[in-house]
Amino acid sequence: AQTVTQSQPEMSVQEAETVTLSCTYDTSESDYYLFWYKQPPSRQMILVIRQEAYKQQNATENRFSVNFQKAAKSFSLKISDSQLGDAAMYFCAFLDSGYALNFGKGTSLLVTP
Amino acid sequence: DADVTQTPRNRITKTGKRIMLECSQTKGHDRMYWYRQDPGLGLRLIYYSFDVKDINKGEISDGYSVSRQAQAKFSLSLESAIPNQTALYFCATSDLGTPGGAFFGQGTRLTVV
Repeated sequence: AQTVTQSQPEMSVQEAETVTLSCTYDTSESDYYLFWYKQPPSRQMILVIRQEAYKQQNATENRFSVNFQKAAKSFSLKISDSQLGDAAMYFCAFLDSGYALNFGKGTSLLVTP
Repeated sequence: DADVTQTPRNRITKTGKRIMLECSQTKGHDRMYWYRQDPGLGLRLIYYSFDVKDINKGEISDGYSVSRQAQAKFSLSLESAIPNQTALYFCATSDLGTPGGAFFGQGTRLTVV
């Protein structure tokens, strides 16, 4: 099974600053998808951003962007202009064609005023 | 109405009792999943189903069973609940034809006492 590693159990950022959450994965597949999910205290799982492995261009959704390094099997999430509402657990996830989403253990993001 | 609905939202049950968690979806997706979330462990896959006649074990299926009653319904059963099955359970759906990631229900907080 593919593995997804989030090496930062907790991160902290000040409002309006930028923070980067790290994710690495291991796979022998060439065609796959990567995702970042946000889980606020409401416990709802919210899709933040996704990246197709065949696309070289890094995905961007408003203040959220990724740095996808396919050769290094790295998929980091950058949050710009951090807001209090960004405080949550963030999960990196991997999906290939034959299986289910495989999640990392999560990074808890604290946003301070 | 939510696209993926889980019932109940919260449940407390006693050790040894049988309990069923239900999931229904209106997204028309073929693929449905049950995940378990524990603090510090991320989301782990219990079972997944790619269609009504295709059910597969995930990484932590022991002590659980599932039933895919229809394309839209996928239930998870704990035949004899034990305290270490206390966790947050998520149902999710996906459609790899248009891979937008998985869509999650609101989660079921299960406590086994």
